[in-house]
Amino acid sequence: EVQLVESGGGLVQPGGSLRLSCAASGFTFSSYDMHWVRQATGKGLEWVSAIGTAGDTYYPGSVKGRFTISRENAKNSLYLQMNSLRAGDTAVYYCARGSGTDYGMDVWGQGTTVTVSS
Amino acid sequence: EIVLTQSPGTLSLSPGERATLSCRASQSVSSSYLAWYQQKPGQAPRLLIYGASSRATGIPDRFSGSGSGTDFTLTISRLEPEDFAVYYCQQYGSSFGQGTKVEIK
Repeated sequence: EVQLVESGGGLVQPGGSLRLSCAASGFTFSSYDMHWVRQATGKGLEWVSAIGTAGDTYYPGSVKGRFTISRENAKNSLYLQMNSLRAGDTAVYYCARGSGTDYGMDVWGQGTTVTVSS
Repeated sequence: EIVLTQSPGTLSLSPGERATLSCRASQSVSSSYLAWYQQKPGQAPRLLIYGASSRATGIPDRFSGSGSGTDFTLTISRLEPEDFAVYYCQQYGSSFGQGTKVEIK
């Protein structure tokens, strides 16, 4: 079964750091782009970062310089290192698989919750 | 950065009716990179349409996508009870629209 399972969410103080993980199974992880998408409670979806199969990375302006996406193909794992966290980063964070040349995110995890609060 | 604007914000319809959702981009988007997602409360999003008009695996044919350039449309030909949800468009690897909620009238 194709599956993505996020972990690492929790409560962190403003200015703090957190590292999210996403464990992939059931497919050849190294062959797919991977993404992080977040959703604040009651709000819409926000794309947070992407990493290509060659390790190329992409970010929107809202997190560039604070968040770092990485992957470890030998462990079928995706990561999101989040630094200088702000209250506005509070959200459910989903990892998602990019569906190759179809350019859509076709497999999603269940999400992990990050709360930034003092 | 391209901004995607979805309309209407909320669509109130009855089962069996046709739903037409719009996604307008602030500048031209390659059709290859335009996707639509469905999200139900408490669930992760689900890919419906990629490449502006191709249905993802397992998506019923009552869902169809069209458009090019700056104007894209998601159509649900006859609403089923399970279709009442929030729908998002996205340029792959970039921003989402703010979403359209399809609610039961």
